[in-house]
Amino acid sequence: DAGVIQSPRHEVTEMGQEVTLRCKPISGHNSLFWYRQTMMRGLELLIYFNNNVPIDDSGMPEDRFSAKMPNASFSTLKIQPSEPRDSAVYFCASSSPSAGGISDTQYFGPGTRLTVL
Amino acid sequence: DQQVKQNSPSLSVQEGRISILNCDYTNSMFDYFLWYKKYPAEGPTFLISISSIKDKNEDGRFTVFLNKSAKHLSLHIVPSQPGDSAVYFCAASEWGNTGKLIFGQGTTLQVKP
Repeated sequence: DAGVIQSPRHEVTEMGQEVTLRCKPISGHNSLFWYRQTMMRGLELLIYFNNNVPIDDSGMPEDRFSAKMPNASFSTLKIQPSEPRDSAVYFCASSSPSAGGISDTQYFGPGTRLTVL
Repeated sequence: DQQVKQNSPSLSVQEGRISILNCDYTNSMFDYFLWYKKYPAEGPTFLISISSIKDKNEDGRFTVFLNKSAKHLSLHIVPSQPGDSAVYFCAASEWGNTGKLIFGQGTTLQVKP
């Protein structure tokens, strides 16, 4: 199993440009999560999908951020326009359902390090 | 605003000794707690978890303790090894909302040989 795949691994862009981050979850996993890691706030959940449907996007910072999951094997996180304060590491994670309502183990990708100049 | 807090940004321990990482939470609806470990340039990986019906869960060198009345959990690593050097995140979720994990800021553990 290849695990969660994210691309690109590094992205450097200029303020005002559009940035698109990509994620391929583990095959068979039906939940997908986007996180942002910063020194100040640690790991913040931005949005998560269940069966390709957005369930909770309360962590999305503002309208400049949008996420889509057109099918079970692909998701994108887009920032338009990007700002220097968006610089962070963005992680995608996926999980599969378990019985009993117990939290499902999330498997993380290697992350995309975004730098906005 | 932080519902899960790790107040120690870093911890340094000698190899062979015990490492204790702490985590506090404010939301009394949290009933499942997890620890993740993260190496540089990698994503976090699941380490150990505990549900609110227990106060202790052990897996090899790793033990998690939960004190619900104090809203506090801790991760003990005994004995600590240099390969344990990483960032450790605690996370929590509510019953019925198992998809949503709230993470702390992380604690960087350094185990010195």
